[in-house]
Amino acid sequence: GNSVTQMEGPVTLSEEAFLTINCTYTATGYPSLFWYVQYPGEGLQLLLKATKADDKGSNKGFEATYRKETTSFHLEKGSVQVSDSAVYFCALTRGNQGGKLIFGQGTELSVKP
Amino acid sequence: EPEVTQTPSHQVTQMGQEVILRCVPISNHLYFYWYRQILGQKVEFLVSFYNNEISEKSEIFDDQFSVERPDGSNFTLKIRSTKLEDSAMYFCASSGGTLYEQYFGPGTRLTVT
Repeated sequence: GNSVTQMEGPVTLSEEAFLTINCTYTATGYPSLFWYVQYPGEGLQLLLKATKADDKGSNKGFEATYRKETTSFHLEKGSVQVSDSAVYFCALTRGNQGGKLIFGQGTELSVKP
Repeated sequence: EPEVTQTPSHQVTQMGQEVILRCVPISNHLYFYWYRQILGQKVEFLVSFYNNEISEKSEIFDDQFSVERPDGSNFTLKIRSTKLEDSAMYFCASSGGTLYEQYFGPGTRLTVT
């Protein structure tokens, strides 16, 4: 079946450090891939997306590239800020299954000043 | 910017009681979803809804759950007889298509005592 696996957290970084959160997926066909962010006490917000192989999604300094050969969609940011502290969820959807999102387990990021 | 809204933000109920969680999706969206997140765990798909019928449901979505779009704007999730294990954050989401991003509401925290 379809699934998403993320690196375990929590991840603790100092401000301005480089961030990578690994995400790999298992899916038949060509899923769309997403990163969602959940700030403390809030709901899920779409951070970025990619809908086909080699697409790069980017937003707010975050980037992720859809790598079909490695079935990965790793999230990166060159210089994190304290305000980036949140839980990050990688997700996929297969359009022919009604569009449900399948989420990874989430990775908590804590950025210290 | 249009957004998904949910009411109430927090619902406390006794075991065995019925609850109805309400959502107003983005007005031109066609696909509607409910997800839940038990505290500290991953976000889990419950049900998708399109063209006034359920398009897919998970094994969590048993006979105690039902969804309805009663008036063309609201989208509701009913739990007929709540159990302690139904305590979770429930998120509503909507999208314009099955491969498009889903926009999430802020969630309803359900506490069953």
